[in-house]
Amino acid sequence: AQSVSQHNHHVILSEAASLELGCNYSYGGTVNLFWYVQYPGQHLQLLLKYFSGDPLVKGIKGFEAEFIKSKFSFNLRKPSVQWSDTAEYFCAVKDYGQNFVFGPGTRLSVLP
Amino acid sequence: ETGVTQTPRHLVMGMTNKKSLKCEQHLGHNAMYWYKQSAKKPLELMFVYSLEERVENNSVPSRFSPECPNSSHLFLHLHTLQPEDSALYLCASRKTGSNTEAFFGQGTRLTVV
Repeated sequence: AQSVSQHNHHVILSEAASLELGCNYSYGGTVNLFWYVQYPGQHLQLLLKYFSGDPLVKGIKGFEAEFIKSKFSFNLRKPSVQWSDTAEYFCAVKDYGQNFVFGPGTRLSVLP
Repeated sequence: ETGVTQTPRHLVMGMTNKKSLKCEQHLGHNAMYWYKQSAKKPLELMFVYSLEERVENNSVPSRFSPECPNSSHLFLHLHTLQPEDSALYLCASRKTGSNTEAFFGQGTRLTVV
């Protein structure tokens, strides 16, 4: 079965610091990859997605992610975080079926 | 607002009660999902319906019973739950056959007492 791992459980940064959150998945075939964000008390929202083509994808709010097929990775990055980026971030993978499998999430705390 | 509506938002029920969670979408999607989100645990996929047929059932106890009467509605019927079933239950939908993401509802916060 497909599985998704995220490297960090909790990341604490100061404003303006750069962010990179790791994500690895297990399935070796064609996958669709996603990053979702959950702000406190809110629903899961899509940050960005990768289906095919350019492995560097740009999302909302200045986030981007790079798909590296050889490493089964889809890491999320942002050059300069803001206090409003404090949230929980989830990497997700959809394989050949209808399953959407999520990683355990990384909690990001940005200190003002 | 995502277009996926879940009711109720909060539910407290006893272990002997029977209740149902409801999810509704009018986005033209034809796949719907139930997830369980517990503290300190990954988001767990419970059930997947595609074109109103259940295509996945990830070893969920029989005290959880899903129902998908049409492509716009999804229910999760609950009976004789345990305190460890307390969690946030999330519904999602997407359009199959295309490269699309899942859209999530706000969730139902369930407390079993």
